[in-house]
Amino acid sequence: DTAVSQTPKYLVTQMGNDKSIKCEQNLGHDTMYWYKQDSKKFLKIMFSYNNKELIINETVPNRFSPKSPDKAHLNLHINSLELGDSAVYFCASSPGVATGEQYFGPGTRLTVT
Amino acid sequence: AQSVTQLDSHVSVSEGTPVLLRCNYSSSYSPSLFWYVQHPNKGLQLLLKYTSAATLVKGINGFEAEFKKSETSFHLTKPSAHMSDAAEYFCVVRATSGTYKYIFGTGTRLKVLA
Repeated sequence: DTAVSQTPKYLVTQMGNDKSIKCEQNLGHDTMYWYKQDSKKFLKIMFSYNNKELIINETVPNRFSPKSPDKAHLNLHINSLELGDSAVYFCASSPGVATGEQYFGPGTRLTVT
Repeated sequence: AQSVTQLDSHVSVSEGTPVLLRCNYSSSYSPSLFWYVQHPNKGLQLLLKYTSAATLVKGINGFEAEFKKSETSFHLTKPSAHMSDAAEYFCVVRATSGTYKYIFGTGTRLKVLA
């Protein structure tokens, strides 16, 4: 069974559209994350939730809105997509905020045309 | 504030020769350090972690890293490279306060030549 899964794996859409990426973890972890990896492979934290509570909200445009319906899920909704949003988005989870290592999902490659 | 610097953006080695990927860190307190590997079009996989136990840390696939406080380094090594080791490698430090977030290095692309 996949520990951290994301859907979809690929997402191609036009500027101005709204899209969502879903993430689920079956590890029983309390903390989940969203990262953005740009074309130069640089990884940047976007959001983190601990027990469904938002604890990290980096300087991300408010077009990006995370939602955590329960501890096992963290979804990312993006409004009014722009060309610069094209990237690979990774979901991750860890046992707690300061404990254990992070486990990453396979990534969602978003292409905005 | 914590930070990591990966000293080489690209490293090329021949198959069967040693691998050295360099990472320096900056941290006011005893850090937690990690190495992750990312194969092409894949997610990140943990290779090994240092969390203030033994300074020589063994990981998966024959990799190991040594924590050297005096040099503020956490270099990744492997005695003999395999073609399957070709990937992007990330050194990570976890912040020691606040949200304890991961701070990633810029990555080192390892190329293994036949």
